[in-house]
Amino acid sequence: KAGVTQTPRYLIKTRGQQVTLSCSPISGHRSVSWYQQTPGQGLQFLFEYFSETQRNKGNFPGRFSGRQFSNSRSEMNVSTLELGDSALYLCASSLGGTGGPSEQYFGPGTRLTVT
Amino acid sequence: GEDVEQSLFLSVREGDSSVINCTYTDSSSTYLYWYKQEPGAGLQLLTYIFSNMDMKQDQRLTVLLNKKDKHLSLRIADTQTGDSAIYFCAVLIYNQGGKLIFGQGTELSVKP
Repeated sequence: KAGVTQTPRYLIKTRGQQVTLSCSPISGHRSVSWYQQTPGQGLQFLFEYFSETQRNKGNFPGRFSGRQFSNSRSEMNVSTLELGDSALYLCASSLGGTGGPSEQYFGPGTRLTVT
Repeated sequence: GEDVEQSLFLSVREGDSSVINCTYTDSSSTYLYWYKQEPGAGLQLLTYIFSNMDMKQDQRLTVLLNKKDKHLSLRIADTQTGDSAIYFCAVLIYNQGGKLIFGQGTELSVKP
């Protein structure tokens, strides 16, 4: 089975621009979560999507948004980029569903640099 | 609020056992995970334990969970230089959907 894929792997953007990151979960997984990793704040939860609906949201400003498509692929958008948005953005895939929690597998991440 | 704490550094000799510790505050945690991160890479799921278990063994890895003290540990037997990485403890908070709360990560250095 293929793992979680994220594209692009690296991005360089300028302050004020916007960016879209993509995540394809493991086949059969319906839940996708996004995390931001920075040296100062560590790993922080952004949001979780299941069946095209946002189920959970972390404490990030409204500039951070996401969506999930019917094939479970997810995109994350950051508008009006700030220098502090420079980070590794990680996507996690899990079975999801109403049966309860399950293992979460991460992709390789997208390294975003804002200049 | 939810909090997960880990010591930041651990240094061991090749062939020794490594023990990485983690404490957490939220007693509603359902799954507790250990992830490994190598430089420039994403997070690799090493192992996990359900909150109703005390111990789980998986080849060189042993996870111990003390629910009373909210303490989780990862023991790596016969540590190799390839085990050098950052290890993250994470607890899953599940309420109609899940989110992981991570510790700061423990940097494991294995000396030959």
